[in-house]
Amino acid sequence: GENVEQHPSTLSVQEGDSAVIKCTYSDSASNYFPWYKQELGKRPQLIIDIRSNVGEKKDQRIAVTLNKTAKHFSLHITETQPEDSAVYFCAASRSGGSNYKLTFGKGTLLTVNP
Amino acid sequence: EAGVTQSPTHLIKTRGQQATLRCSPISGHTSVYWYQQALGLGLQFLLWYDEGEERNRGNFPPRFSGRQFPNYSSELNVNALELEDSALYLCASSLDGEKLFFGSGTQLSVL
Repeated sequence: GENVEQHPSTLSVQEGDSAVIKCTYSDSASNYFPWYKQELGKRPQLIIDIRSNVGEKKDQRIAVTLNKTAKHFSLHITETQPEDSAVYFCAASRSGGSNYKLTFGKGTLLTVNP
Repeated sequence: EAGVTQSPTHLIKTRGQQATLRCSPISGHTSVYWYQQALGLGLQFLLWYDEGEERNRGNFPPRFSGRQFPNYSSELNVNALELEDSALYLCASSLDGEKLFFGSGTQLSVL
């Protein structure tokens, strides 16, 4: 089955700096890669996703990049703000089909220091 | 529009007992997913229900089971509880099978 590795497990940055979280996946058939943000005591929420036919996607201060050959994808947050502090999870799946299962990484605790 | 709702918020059980957790998906969503979130282990996939059928399950023992009702709500049952079952259990629903909308979870504590 799919295995998703996520690094680093913790990341501390100063407000205004950039943050990068990296994930690798094992199943070359995976084609859908979402990122979820979970603030302390809250539910995980989807913040951005990317499909295997796209190399990069941006949404304001966040961007995701995907390297299918190397089977890794990354989340980039620019101009970080204290409200970006949360646990971020990457995930991978084969979209569609009867064997669908979204596999998550173990999460990255991002702390943005004012 | 109401989001995914889960009950109870907290559940305390003793080892060997059974626990039942409930989930109501967003209106119109037919797929329900259950995940276990234990400290340091991220989100572990448990079960996927769609149109009343179990479609896939994760690497959990058979004492983890569930069902989906005709109104698409779902329940997760955990039999013969063990201490390591203590975790946050998250339910999610989806309309397109990709974007998951999570509930706030049930915190299960096994003493």
